Amino acid sequence: EPEVTQTPSHQVTQMGQEVILRCVPISNHLYFYWYRQILGQKVEFLVSFYNNEISEKSEIFDDQFSVERPDGSNFTLKIRSTKLEDSAMYFCASTGTAQETQYFGPGTRLLVL
Amino acid sequence: AQSVSQHNHHVILSEAASLELGCNYSYGGTVNLFWYVQYPGQHLQLLLKYFSGDPLVKGIKGFEAEFIKSKFSFNLRKPSVQWSDTAEYFCAVNHFGGNQFYFGTGTSLTVIP
Repeated sequence: EPEVTQTPSHQVTQMGQEVILRCVPISNHLYFYWYRQILGQKVEFLVSFYNNEISEKSEIFDDQFSVERPDGSNFTLKIRSTKLEDSAMYFCASTGTAQETQYFGPGTRLLVL
Repeated sequence: AQSVSQHNHHVILSEAASLELGCNYSYGGTVNLFWYVQYPGQHLQLLLKYFSGDPLVKGIKGFEAEFIKSKFSFNLRKPSVQWSDTAEYFCAVNHFGGNQFYFGTGTSLTVIP
């Protein structure tokens, strides 16, 4: 069964550094998403991406965040200058259409020191 | 703003006990409803979903959920839990026509053998 994959599984960075989290969505999917889950809290929507542009974003997704689909397979989340409060598990998801079930990747655990 | 409430944060049951996890949402329009499960160390997986039709939906591993529109609820049930059901359970809501998923805070289920 096709899966969403994410790399790295764990990332430790210093405050103020840039990080790029990578996702490979399911190959025939067209809609891509990033979520985050701060330890002990709920899964929060960050952004959705379709047709090479952002279709929706939450208040969390400020100017420090950006997403990109640099080629036909990868979908990346960049945090320009990380803050301590960015420490969380970041999940990528994809769907074939907007209303379908979202398939989630295993997550990247980001720790900002 | 849309909110999804899961009232049970931690549930501990013995094997063979029955399970019901509550989920309520606040959006008054048409919604799609989901339950996801996150087993220890694994990513979010879909248990079941409701888009339309029969409000009683059956999912994998013997789980079912009932959509009660008048109560804005989508409670998850299983008649007899197993030790392998130990996991975190998340209710999620997607507005019809929208991309974003709204998640509840999750319920941690521990099943004691």
